[in-house]
Order: sequence, then C-alpha cells, then structure tokens
Amino acid sequence: RKEVEQDPGPFNVPEGATVAFNCTYSNSASQSFFWYRQDCRKEPKLLMSVYSSGNEDGRFTAQLNRASQYISLLIRDSKLSDSATYLCVTAGGTSYGKLTFGQGTILTVHP
Amino acid sequence: NAGVTQTPKFQVLKTGQSMTLQCAQDMNHEYMSWYRQDPGMGLRLIHYSVGAGITDQGEVPNGYNVSRSTTEDFPLRLLSAAPSQTSVYFCASSPRQTGPQHFGDGTRLSIL
Repeated sequence: RKEVEQDPGPFNVPEGATVAFNCTYSNSASQSFFWYRQDCRKEPKLLMSVYSSGNEDGRFTAQLNRASQYISLLIRDSKLSDSATYLCVTAGGTSYGKLTFGQGTILTVHP
Repeated sequence: NAGVTQTPKFQVLKTGQSMTLQCAQDMNHEYMSWYRQDPGMGLRLIHYSVGAGITDQGEVPNGYNVSRSTTEDFPLRLLSAAPSQTSVYFCASSPRQTGPQHFGDGTRLSIL
C-alpha cells in the first residue's frame, strides 16, 4: 500500500465548477500536511498547508481528518489556470521527517 | 528572488559517465533534499541534508552521492550513469524538515 494515495483522475470540469480531491495517508505519525500544485514539466509549488481546523485561501479550502487519515482539497469557481496536477503531501513520522508525495491528481478545466 | 537554483536544466550523458547536478539556495535554509520524478512513480527522495556537514540517504540513494560543505550548496553526483537514472531531478530546501519545501525548476537528465 502506498503511503499517500490519491485518485489520479483525470478530472475534467467546466469553468466555474466546484471540484474536490481526496487523499489518504497510512502513517498515523505524520505531522504536517500540504497540497502542492505541479504544472506540466515544471517544479512542484506549494499551494497550501493543511491544518486540523481546516483552512481556506481564496477559492481553495483544505481539510484534514486525522482520525480517518484523510486530506481533502476543494476548488470553487474553477478557472482555466487551475489546470494542473495536484499533489497531496505528508511530512514527518519517519526517521528523517521526509516529505511523502502522492502521485497526484490531474485536473483539466475546460471552457 | 533567486530561491533554489539548479544547473544544468538539461543534460544528456552516455552510460558510465559521471556528472554533478548543482543546487544552490539563498534563503539560509538548513534542510535541503534531492528528489527524482519518474512517470507513474511520483517524487522519490534520493538524499537529504539537515545542515552543513550532515547528509543522509533517502528512499533511492544507490548510484548517487551528495555533500554539504556550505548551507547554500547541495550538489548531487552521479558516479557512473545508467539508463535507469534517466529522470527529472528536483532540489528543494526548507527551513525545517517537516516544513513546506521550495523546489528548484529541475534538471532533465537523459542517459543513453
């Protein structure tokens, strides 16, 4: 079983739609959680950290459920520029505190 | 705002050749790491460093060496290139091990 599992998609949605991605992680000792965005052939960029209380950044809302070991990302009012791969990432809980990346969920927003 | 700088951006090697991928950061981050990204595999940690003079192995260290003589620089050396090392390599830095990491824009390496 992968440490961080995501539905690879692809998700194809029209502009203006609301889309949600889910992610599960297996290491209960994980300490930090993030969503990264990666455009084609580019480096991953931090989208947002994820906190137990849930957090929002504009059109993006992230939630963490430690009991279920589940992380989510909600994108409202999708834009064409949101098209990318979204990576779920956990950190800590290993001997070297490394980040563990999910394989990513592909999102395509079309006109 | 240089952030994390990787060189070269592209490289083609022959099997058996050696080379060094350079990584430098100007954010005074203690934690630096190297990842490789392959289709369908996600990002995998090769080596990491928690500060100058301290390095350790990640998930896929075989065939690679690192050193950290300064806080700023964290080069990755391929000792004897193999086709299986064809990949995109990302260097990243962070102020702490479990914090969000800042990535360089990658080195695309092909081994023939």
